[in-house]
Order: sequence, then structure tokens, then C-alpha cells
Amino acid sequence: DAGVTQSPTHLIKTRGQQVTLRCSPKSGHDTVSWYQQALGQGPQFIFQYYEEEERQRGNFPDRFSGHQFPNYSSELNVNALLLGDSALYLCASSALTGSETQYFGPGTRLLVL
Amino acid sequence: AQSVTQPDIHITVSEGASLELRCNYSYGATPYLFWYVQSPGQGLQLLLKYFSGDTLVQGIKGFEAEFKRSQSSFNLRKPSVHWSDAAEYFCAVGAGDYKLSFGAGTTVTVRA
Repeated sequence: DAGVTQSPTHLIKTRGQQVTLRCSPKSGHDTVSWYQQALGQGPQFIFQYYEEEERQRGNFPDRFSGHQFPNYSSELNVNALLLGDSALYLCASSALTGSETQYFGPGTRLLVL
Repeated sequence: AQSVTQPDIHITVSEGASLELRCNYSYGATPYLFWYVQSPGQGLQLLLKYFSGDTLVQGIKGFEAEFKRSQSSFNLRKPSVHWSDAAEYFCAVGAGDYKLSFGAGTTVTVRA
């Protein structure tokens, strides 16, 4: 049973560029959440997708957007990258019906120069 | 809004000694509580969770945690640590809205 997978593992971009990160949820899960983990900090909630729609959003600007596909996989897009966007981006999946438990992928390390 | 405080930034413990990591949460109702572990450069692995019922919960790798409503705490314990327990540990709270709020983490160093 495959767990949560993310791609790419590492990415280097320059300021002003755009980036797309990808996530495939754990088998049987239909909900995907994205978190940003800056160095030395705990993960911060970006947003959550269910049924191809954004259900909840944390305190992140509109430069951060996402998408969920019919197969439940998801993308995180960040436009106009800033140096401060450098972080580990974590994807977590869960089954919406009756479970609060989120299972995390290995993350994508983004470095913005 | 819910929040989590992990008072200890860094803990050093000898191999074979016991370990306790503190977690305090702020939330008006009974929260969902989690402990995750993160090895360097890795994602988060779920150690254990508390939703309701027995306040002492058992997890993987020999960890346990106790929910104390009166103290708004959910401390993580392990009776005897192994060198492989060196990692960063995060406490998280959920409030029924499927969003998790994390503490800043506690780094555990294990000395031989």
C-alpha cells in the first residue's frame, strides 16, 4: 500500500518565478492538505482540497493556489516566488469520512534564490 | 482558534534513559491531539493520536502519551530511548475542521 508521494523532492527557483508541486494521496484517501514548514519551525496549514474544491485556507496570500484532480491527486502552485517561500512543502492526505488523521508525504524542499 | 505550545526547544537524553516531551494546547472544546516525528530531511510520521476515551494512548516505537484536560496537556513519553529516537517531535491539535495546528517542535538528541 503506497503512502503519500510527492514530487519533485527538491527544487531550486529564482525570485519571481512560478512553481508547481505535486502530491498523490494514500490509497483510499480523498482529501489532501498542504503545509509549509520553514526551517526550524512547525508546519503551517496552507489549504485543503476535497472533491476538487478548496474547503479551507490558512493565512497564505493568493499567490498560493491549488488544484485537486478526479483521482484525488493535487497540485500546489506558487506564483511570484519570494525568498521567504523557501521551505519544505508537505502534503498530507486523509479520508474525509470519520477521520481526522492526516498522513504526510516526504515533502518537497523548495529553495528560492 | 486552536494553538499548541511545546516549551522545550531541545532535549538531550542518554540512551536507555526515559524521555518526556511536553505539549500544551489551547482550544475551547475537546481537541483531537497528535504526535508526529520527523527525521532530518524527512516528512512527518504519526506516532499516536487521541480523539476520545482512555486518556493514556499507546503509539508506535514504544511511545505513549497522556491527555490531561485539567492541564490542557498531551505529553509524550518513552521509558527507554534508543539512538534511533533522535529526531524532531511535533505535537499537533485538530479542532474538527480537518486543519492541524502544530507546535514549533522539540529536537531530541540521544547521547551514547
